[in-house]
Amino acid sequence: KQEVTQIPAALSVPEGENLVLNCSFTDSAIYNLQWFRQDPGKGLTSLLLIQSSQREQTSGRLNASLDKSSGRSTLYIAASQPGDSATYLCAVSGGGTSYGKLTFGQGTILTVHP
Amino acid sequence: NAGVMQNPRHLVRRRGQEARLRCSPMKGHSHVYWYRQLPEEGLKFMVYLQKENIIDESGMPKERFSAEFPKEGPSILRIQQVVRGDSAAYFCASSPLPRQGFYEQYFGPGTRLTVT
Repeated sequence: KQEVTQIPAALSVPEGENLVLNCSFTDSAIYNLQWFRQDPGKGLTSLLLIQSSQREQTSGRLNASLDKSSGRSTLYIAASQPGDSATYLCAVSGGGTSYGKLTFGQGTILTVHP
Repeated sequence: NAGVMQNPRHLVRRRGQEARLRCSPMKGHSHVYWYRQLPEEGLKFMVYLQKENIIDESGMPKERFSAEFPKEGPSILRIQQVVRGDSAAYFCASSPLPRQGFYEQYFGPGTRLTVT
């Protein structure tokens, strides 16, 4: 059974800091990994998707890496801003399940204070 | 191109009533997924459908829950005889036809169900 863990559970940083969010998964036979952002009471916004054959993806101040063999991914946020405050979710597809099923971590609650 | 649409956004039902949640996928998307987020818990997969076909329902509770995605119209998640434990946010996602595992799921705003 695929399990996804995110560390830390919560993170509070001052504006301008670079930060790293971690995600690990137990079954490395994944199809892809997706990072999402969720604002309170809202839906999920897809940030980055990394295919299993890729090592990283970048979008603006965000960079996500994938080490499939060790079952790890990191989301790097450069020059954090108060608007980055949200819950960040990591999800994987595959790992013994159908490719349509995403298994989510519990999330990292990020607070960026001015 | 409108995103994934879900309605209603908020739904209040009394115990024993039925709840119907609707999801319209993004234009051109033929695959729909339902997830549930219980209070203080993470998102859990429920069911994966394509038009007129259930692909994976491994996350659906055995009783009272059903889902469909007809040839015409939105996907429907139906909960019969709701109980307080069904109170949660229900999210729908859609994707285009997957090709060799590469696809991206786009999520709707969710329906927040409250059972009183």
